[in-house]
Amino acid sequence: GEDVEQSLFLSVREGDSSVINCTYTDSSSTYLYWYKQEPGAGLQLLTYIFSNMDMKQDQRLTVLLNKKDKHLSLRIADTQTGDSAIYFCAESISDYKLSFGAGTTVTVRA
Amino acid sequence: GAGVSQSPRYKVTKRGQDVALRCDPISGHVSLYWYRQALGQGPEFLTYFNYEAQQDKSGLPNDRFSAERPEGSISTLTIQRTEQRDSAMYRCASSLASGGTGKNIQYFGAGTRLSVL
Repeated sequence: GEDVEQSLFLSVREGDSSVINCTYTDSSSTYLYWYKQEPGAGLQLLTYIFSNMDMKQDQRLTVLLNKKDKHLSLRIADTQTGDSAIYFCAESISDYKLSFGAGTTVTVRA
Repeated sequence: GAGVSQSPRYKVTKRGQDVALRCDPISGHVSLYWYRQALGQGPEFLTYFNYEAQQDKSGLPNDRFSAERPEGSISTLTIQRTEQRDSAMYRCASSLASGGTGKNIQYFGAGTRLSVL
């Protein structure tokens, strides 16, 4: 089983904010990542955060990291139909190995 | 510049056949990774190369699976005597380097969807 856990589904209305949550287990992870997977496309790196940071903002994306609770979240502001995809949380469990969650399927409804 | 390129995009094969999956990393990327992704799951680590050296193959499920990167660029993942349980998406990623320096950000290709009948 995976050491990274995510909720499987999220439905959000267009224009609202989406929040995707993730918990991880390896307290020594140096980086945590969010990847986006669209049908027929590869895993697209959305953003990442270094473990000594609490927050990172990049345009419509905000990443929050709570190291004490090993909790990571991704907030997408003003969610658009193009944001419909599967979002994967991942942690670096070594210098080169990533451990992924099962992914959260985000559906944006009009 | 070009991203990570994988070929073929889709491969259908019969049980017992050998398959070879190819990965062409981003130019200049030293490190290359193979992952396998089952339907409804996240990718799982298979193996990792630094230049041409295979540094970790602990994720390869059994000895039917092998990988090489002879010139430190293109890599091939080979599955011998395929079985139905090998059906999955096989993803390749590359990074500038490995290690906790920020240069180990992994960029993924579109993957090869393998179906074993």
